[in-house]
Amino acid sequence: EAGVAQSPRYKIIEKRQSVAFWCNPISGHATLYWYQQILGQGPKLLIQFQNNGVVDDSQLPKDRFSAERLKGVDSTLKIQPAKLEDSAVYLCASSQRRQGATGELFFGEGSRLTVL
Amino acid sequence: GDSVTQMEGPVTLSEEAFLTINCTYTATGYPSLFWYVQYPGEGLQLLLKATKADDKGSNKGFEATYRKETTSFHLEKGSVQVSDSAVYFCALNARGGSEKLVFGKGTKLTVNP
Repeated sequence: EAGVAQSPRYKIIEKRQSVAFWCNPISGHATLYWYQQILGQGPKLLIQFQNNGVVDDSQLPKDRFSAERLKGVDSTLKIQPAKLEDSAVYLCASSQRRQGATGELFFGEGSRLTVL
Repeated sequence: GDSVTQMEGPVTLSEEAFLTINCTYTATGYPSLFWYVQYPGEGLQLLLKATKADDKGSNKGFEATYRKETTSFHLEKGSVQVSDSAVYFCALNARGGSEKLVFGKGTKLTVNP
C-alpha cells in the first residue's frame, strides 16, 4: 500500500516569495491534515479536512496561508508571502476517519521549507 | 489549553541499556495518549497508544502506561538497540474537543553500539 506522498521534499525561497506544497494521502483516507513542525518543536496542526470540507483551521495564519482539497483526495498548502518564521517542515498526514477514535495518523516524509 | 511536556533531549545510550523518556500532559477531560516515532529520513509513525487510565500500550519492546493520577505516559524499553535511534514524540488527543493531536517537542535518542 502506498504511503502519504508529499512534494517537494525541500524548498528554499526568499521572504515575500510564495511557495506551494502538495500532498496525496493514502487511498481511501477521508481525513487529511497539514502540520507545521518548527525545528526543536513538535508538530502543530494547521488545518484538517474531512473529504473536501474544512474541519479545523483555527491555527492556520489565514493572512498568508491557504489550503485546499478540491476533490477530496490530494491537497495543496500555499504560503504567500512567506516570512522568515515560516521556515519549518510541513507534514501531511491522513487517516481513515476523524482521529478521535484511534489517533493513528499516517504521515508523509514532509516538505522542508527554508525562507531566507 | 491541552499540552504535552517531554523530557529534554538528546538522550544517548549504549546498546542494551534501559530507556525511559518522560512525558506528562495537561488536558481537560480524559485524553487518549500516544507515542509517535520518527526514524531518520522517514515520516512519523505511531509506536503505541493508550485510550484510558491504567491501559498499557506496547510495541516493538516499548511500553507506556497511562497514569491518570500523575498525568504521565512515560516510554520505556528494557534493552535498546542501535536501530531504535530516532526522535520520539508524545501526543494526546483530548476527548470532546476538536479531535486534534497535540504533540510534545520530541526527544532525540541515539543508541551507540
